[in-house]
Amino acid sequence: RKEVEQDPGPFNVPEGATVAFNCTYSNSASQSFFWYRQDCRKEPKLLMSVYSSGNEDGRFTAQLNRASQYISLLIRDSKLSDSATYLCVVTHSNYQLIWGAGTKLIIKP
Amino acid sequence: DVKVTQSSRYLVKRTGEKVFLECVQDMDHENMFWYRQDPGLGLRLIYFSYDVKMKEKGDIPEGYSVSREKKERFSLILESASTNQTSMYLCASSSITGTGVYGYTFGSGTRLTVV
Repeated sequence: RKEVEQDPGPFNVPEGATVAFNCTYSNSASQSFFWYRQDCRKEPKLLMSVYSSGNEDGRFTAQLNRASQYISLLIRDSKLSDSATYLCVVTHSNYQLIWGAGTKLIIKP
Repeated sequence: DVKVTQSSRYLVKRTGEKVFLECVQDMDHENMFWYRQDPGLGLRLIYFSYDVKMKEKGDIPEGYSVSREKKERFSLILESASTNQTSMYLCASSSITGTGVYGYTFGSGTRLTVV
């Protein structure tokens, strides 16, 4: 079993809709959690951190559920430019980042 | 603008060749990393370095070696390239702050094909 698991998708969503996807992690000692965004044939870029109390950044909301060991990302009022692969990242230490394989999101006009 | 620069965007090499992938960062970061990314598998850590001349194995070091002679440069070496090393290779660097993710910057990647 992978340490960090994501539904690979693709999620096909109409423009303007709300979409959410989860990421589960197996190591209860995981310290920090992040969502990255990766466009096709580009490098990953940090989208947002995930805090215990949940956090928002514009149309994006991230949540952490330690009891069930998952994090989630919700995108409201989705735009065509949100089409990308979303990578979940979990850290154990200053050096070690554990990456999910990503969830592909396609926003359709 | 801070940068991590990888020497080649696309590379085609023959089986058995020795391959060098270069990565240079201009942020004075202590940590540097080499990943490979394959469909369905996500990013897998090959090697990382937290200081000049220091290196640590990641999850999949077999068939690879690294060199860090200067702080800004981290090289990945494929001693004898094989077709199963065809992949996207990503270099990253970070400073030792917080969890290490902040300031974690990737290069634009090298797509290596071994034929």
